This record gives sequence, structure tokens and C-alpha cells, in this order.
Amino acid sequence: KAGVTQTPRYLIKTRGQQVTLSCSPISGHRSVSWYQQTPGQGLQFLFEYFSETQRNKGNFPGRFSGRQFSNSRSEMNVSTLELGDSALYLCASSWGDKNEQFFGPGTRLTVL
Amino acid sequence: GDSVTQMEGPVTLSEEAFLTINCTYTATGYPSLFWYVQYPGEGLQLLLKATKADDKGSNKGFEATYRKETTSFHLEKGSVQVSDSAVYFCALSDRGANSKLTFGKGITLSVRP
Repeated sequence: KAGVTQTPRYLIKTRGQQVTLSCSPISGHRSVSWYQQTPGQGLQFLFEYFSETQRNKGNFPGRFSGRQFSNSRSEMNVSTLELGDSALYLCASSWGDKNEQFFGPGTRLTVL
Repeated sequence: GDSVTQMEGPVTLSEEAFLTINCTYTATGYPSLFWYVQYPGEGLQLLLKATKADDKGSNKGFEATYRKETTSFHLEKGSVQVSDSAVYFCALSDRGANSKLTFGKGITLSVRP
């Protein structure tokens, strides 16, 4: 079974631009969560989608948004990029609420 | 809100040494507890988990016991290997928060031959 895939793996953007990251969960998994990992703040929860609905949201500004498609694939978007948005963005999928989450390799975003 | 506190790092050990990484948590409900490991350039992998008090999670020689009375979930391994060098994260999932994981800051373990 293929694991969680994230594209692109690396991305360089400049301040003010916007970016879209993609996550394909493990086949059959309906929940997709997104996390931001930085050296200073560690791993922080962004949001979770289940059956195309956002079920949970972390404490991030409205510039961070996401969506989930009917095939469970998910995208997250960051608008008006700031230098502080440079991070590793991790996606995780699971079958349901109480199941193990499987993480993808992440997308490394650098904002210049 | 929920939080996870891990001991400060990094930790450097010699091969075959005993490992303990401390983790304590604060949660309003009855969380599930996890240890994740991150190897260089990779995402997180679940190492072990425990879903209720006194449960012991174990995998690849690592163990951790869910201690509700001390709100702890310390990770131990009797004999570390060079291949165990990685970053270790303690995390919790509050049963009322769907799949959201709250992580500790992580600790880097380096094992020298």
C-alpha cells in the first residue's frame, strides 16, 4: 500500500506570494491533518479534514486555509506569504478518529 | 489547553547504553499518548502508543507506560543502536478533538558507535 505522498517536496517563494501544497492520503483513509514544523515552535496543528469537511482548526491566521476533495486528497493554501511561514509542512492521514496517523515526508517551504 | 513537555536535549549516548526520554502531559480529558520518531529528511513515524492508564506501548525494543497518576509517558530502551539516532516526539490526542495531535518539542538522540 502506498504511503502518504506530498507534493512538491521543496518550494521556494517570495514574500507576498501565495502557495498551494498537496497531500494524497493512504488509500481508504478519510481523515487528513496538516501540521507546521519549525525549529522555534516545533510541530503545530493547522487543521483536519474528514469527508471534505474541516473538523478541527489550530491557532493560525486566516491566511492558512485548506480543503479536501471527494477522493480524500487535500490541499492547503497560504496566501500573502511571510518570512515566518518558512517551515516543513506535514500531512497525516488516518482511517478515522481513533486510528493511527500516518505522516507524509513533508513539503519544505522557504520564503525569501 | 492540552500540552506536552519533553526533557531538554540533545542527548548523546554510546551504543548499547540505556535510554530514557522523559515526557509529561497536561490534558483536560483522557488522552491517548504516542511516541513518534523522525529520521533525517523524513516525516514522522509512529513508534508506539498507549490509549489508557497503565497501558504499555512497545515497539523495536522501545517501551513507554501510560502513568495517569504522574501524567507521564517516558520512553525507554535497554540498549540503543546507532540506527536509533533520530528526533523523538511525545504527543497526545484528546479523545474529544478528533485526530488532532499535540506534540512536545522533540529531542534529538545521537548514538555513537
